Order: sequence, then structure tokens, then C-alpha cells
Amino acid sequence: EAGVAQSPRYKIIEKRQSVAFWCNPISGHATLYWYQQILGQGPKLLIQFQNNGVVDDSQLPKDRFSAERLKGVDSTLKIQPAKLEDSAVYLCASSLEAEQFFGPGTRLTVL
Amino acid sequence: RKEVEQDPGPFNVPEGATVAFNCTYSNSASQSFFWYRQDCRKEPKLLMSVYSSGNEDGRFTAQLNRASQYISLLIRDSKLSDSATYLCVVIRSYIPTFGRGTSLIVHP
Repeated sequence: EAGVAQSPRYKIIEKRQSVAFWCNPISGHATLYWYQQILGQGPKLLIQFQNNGVVDDSQLPKDRFSAERLKGVDSTLKIQPAKLEDSAVYLCASSLEAEQFFGPGTRLTVL
Repeated sequence: RKEVEQDPGPFNVPEGATVAFNCTYSNSASQSFFWYRQDCRKEPKLLMSVYSSGNEDGRFTAQLNRASQYISLLIRDSKLSDSATYLCVVIRSYIPTFGRGTSLIVHP
């Protein structure tokens, strides 16, 4: 069974630039999560989708971050404009029930 | 107070040791509990679910104490390969919250 796919794996941008991340969940998984993980910390939930509806986005900085899950499958997370403190690993996960399956993440460096 | 708290460690133990981690949660309405393992520069992976009745998988035992609002993970006979960060996850209203993780280093 194919796992959660994410791209790109690495991205380096300058502050105030824009960046987008893509996630393809495991086939059939209705729930999709985007997390931000800063070095030395646990994953912080940014947004959770159930099919193409938003379950929770209370920790998403909506002035600069946006996410969508068109057709309830793939998802994109965008940051515009990026700040230095956005440097982190962005993890996508999907689940059918309680167990979450994570993708390899996108490591973002903002200079 | 954070919703989920863990001692970040690191816990530095010799091979063969028994080590235990705790994770406390603040909201008594929390419904489901899990331990995930994260290797350096890798993604988290489910280690085990946590039940009030306890859950054992080989050398690993997880326990939930609802009265005191904490979950625990016990690792017996530690192996070098157990070196990793252990993340507790608490789910409330279908929304997961991760702790910051506890780092375990097992040395020869």
C-alpha cells in the first residue's frame, strides 16, 4: 500500500516569498492533517480536513497560511508571505480511523 | 497550562534498562490516547494505543490513568534501537494534540 506522499522534500526561500506544499494521502483516508514541527518540539496541528471540509483550523495563522483539499483527496498548504519563524518541517498525515499515517515531510528554511 | 505535557528528557539509559515516560493532559474530556515514535529526521509512526486496562506489546507497556489525567509508557530491556523521541498524542472531539516528545538515548 502506498504511503502518504509529500512534495517538495526540501525548500529554501527568502522571507516575504511565497511557498506551497503538496500532499497526497493514502487512498480512501477521509481525514487529512497538516502539522508544523519546529526543531525540538512536537508536531503542531495547523489544519484538519474530513473529506473536503475543515474540522479544525484554530492554530492556522490565517493571515499568511492557507490550505485547501479540493475533491477530498490531495491537499495544498500555502504560506504567503513567509517569515523567518516559519522555518520548520511541515508534515502531512492521513487517517481512516484513529491511527495517523505520516508523510516524510517538507523541510522549509526561510532565510 | 499546555493541553499535553511531556518531560523532554533526554533519558540516557544503558542497554537492558527499564525506562518509563509520563505524559499529562489537562482536559478531562479527552477520549483517545496514543504513543508515537519518531526517529531523528523521520516522520512519527504509531507505537501503540493506550487503554485504561493497559496495553502490552512485547517489551512495551502503555497505561492510562484517567483520574490523574496521565498516560505512561514503560520500556523493558531497552535496546540500542529504542533510541528515538516518544510522542504522546491525546485526542478530544476527533482533534489530536501532540506532546513535545521525550528523547530516549540507549547506550551500550
